[in-house]
Amino acid sequence: NAGVTQTPKFQVLKTGQSMTLQCAQDMNHNSMYWYRQDPGMGLRLIYYSASEGTTDKGEVPNGYNVSRLNKREFSLRLESAAPSQTSVYFCASRAGGARGYTFGSGTRLTVV
Amino acid sequence: SQQGEEDPQALSIQEGENATMNCSYKTSINNLQWYRQNSGRGLVHLILIRSNEREKHSGRLRVTLDTSKKSSSLLITASRAADTASYFCATDAVDTDKLIFGTGTRLQVFP
Repeated sequence: NAGVTQTPKFQVLKTGQSMTLQCAQDMNHNSMYWYRQDPGMGLRLIYYSASEGTTDKGEVPNGYNVSRLNKREFSLRLESAAPSQTSVYFCASRAGGARGYTFGSGTRLTVV
Repeated sequence: SQQGEEDPQALSIQEGENATMNCSYKTSINNLQWYRQNSGRGLVHLILIRSNEREKHSGRLRVTLDTSKKSSSLLITASRAADTASYFCATDAVDTDKLIFGTGTRLQVFP
């Protein structure tokens, strides 16, 4: 069982470039989430999807878009990358109800 | 702003000692969760305590929750060097489907 798989693991972008971070889970979970983690800080929620076909903004959605492609996949897109988006991005999922989240191993993104 | 604030920000102890971390939050919650993050890795779920529970145990972990004070504590007993990591509390607020994380406590356990 892979759990939550994120690709790529590392990425360097130039300012203004676009890219999509991919996330897939094989646990049949309903809810999926994208967080960013900056050095020495906790995680901040970017977007989430409570179920297939729905997406909602989190704490820091500006500069990002998401797509819940199907129940398994939830992608995060940076349309025009900025140095302020340099961070580690984590995808997570959960089945629903009072359960813990399962996290991916993260994507380390640097925007130069 | 982030939901949870943790105290202390950093903690250094010797192996065998107990480590206590505290978390405060702001709104009504369904449950509170604790996660562990090793350096450069993803987060791992440790324990979940529901809003109607006051204490929960899992192995060497003990979590308490005081909803009147909007606070929680995580106690790791008989710590080991392998417990060195960052620990985060996260709250599952009422009427939402999202988890909001605190700023974390960096725990260093010296052999």
